[in-house]
Parts: sequence; structure tokens; C-alpha cells
Amino acid sequence: GQQVMQIPQYQHVQEGEDFTTYCNSSTTLSNIQWYKQRPGGHPVFLIQLVKSGEVKKQKRLTFQFGEAKKNSSLHITATQTTDVGTYFCAGYSNYQLIWGAGTKLIIKP
Amino acid sequence: GAVVSQHPSWVICKSGTSVKIECRSLDFQATTMFWYRQFPKQSLMLMATSNEGSKATYEQGVEKDKFLINHASLTLSTLTVTSAHPEDSSFYICSASRQGPGLAGGPLSSYEQYFGPGTRLTVT
Repeated sequence: GQQVMQIPQYQHVQEGEDFTTYCNSSTTLSNIQWYKQRPGGHPVFLIQLVKSGEVKKQKRLTFQFGEAKKNSSLHITATQTTDVGTYFCAGYSNYQLIWGAGTKLIIKP
Repeated sequence: GAVVSQHPSWVICKSGTSVKIECRSLDFQATTMFWYRQFPKQSLMLMATSNEGSKATYEQGVEKDKFLINHASLTLSTLTVTSAHPEDSSFYICSASRQGPGLAGGPLSSYEQYFGPGTRLTVT
């Protein structure tokens, strides 16, 4: 079946370091969405990418959609404690939204 | 805008009883509502998709007779866990999306989902 693989599962960073999570789909996606879930909270929509090769920025967050529309990444520059949480990608294909497993961002004390 | 509420936020019930969870879109009409289950430290698992006025579409492996979904109006969907057992204990999250024109001129469209705060179900 259709799958979206997301890596890594966890990433420990020092505050101020960068963070990146990657999603790869087994099929071409119509679009890809990114969500953030804070510990104990529910997922919150961040952004949707639609076009091949699209790059969007939200302050310190940079989202990319691959040329083949099968992969995507989220990069956070200079992480802050407020960035802590799990970041999910969700790719839309064949009328289905397929979720990645999420990458948990952990700030080292 | 785009607020989704869920009730109750937590519930404890005895094995064999049924529990109903409500999901409401407060300030918009939700054409489609989704029900997810989330186990600790794991991703969301889509259980079913429901469109207003029609039967829900269940994901493979989800028992439709156990997890009854009703989407009676554009602002309300309910999930009833029937004859609950301890293994049904989990975090249940609903989300709602609203319809609009397709993006980038394509025939397919998907819209961001607005999530409810979730319901923690514990079956004893």
C-alpha cells in the first residue's frame, strides 16, 4: 500500500542547533502537509505544499517539496525550546491523506 | 476561526459499556470529519472518514460495528465505542476539513485539517 516514511524518529539537539525531518513517499503526492504536535496536545496544521520544487518559509522553519513530489523536508534553524514537539508530514494521494510516523524534536538540557 | 471541539476530554468506563465521543466544528461547516486513534509515542492512525449525510469509510482493520460513526450535520460527528474493552483505551482525536476550490488548478483538493483537542478513553 501507499506509505510515507518519515525520518528520523527522534532528534536530540542543543538549543540553537538546527533540526531537519524528512518524508519520502512510495507514490507521487498531490500535495503534502506538515503538522506540529506539542507534548500532550493535538496536531496543529503548519503548511501545505502543492507545487513541484516548492519552498516555503515561516520564520525559522523552511519547508521543501521535491521535484518529483515524492519527498519533503522541514528544516528549523536555531531551535528554541518552543519548537519542542513532534512534527508530522501527511501526503495526499489518491484521495487519501497518508501520515508519516512523526519526528520528535527534543532539546537537550 | 476553524475551531474544533471534542467532548468529553477524558472518560473512564467499565469494560462492556459503550462510550460516545462528540466532535463539533464551532465556526465553520465541515464537509468531512476524520477520526484518529493515537497510541503513546506513536503517529496518528486514521480510523475512518465521514462525510455529512453518508456512511463513514473505515480504514482496513477498523471494525465498523465496534466504532460507530455518525455525521448527522455539517458541524457534528460522533464516534461511539461499543462494548469497550481495555485494549480500546487510547487517545481519540477528530479533525474536520472544509471544502473549497482546488489548489493549483488541479482536480484534486485537500484542505488542512483542524483537529479537536482529543479524548482520552480509559476502559477498566
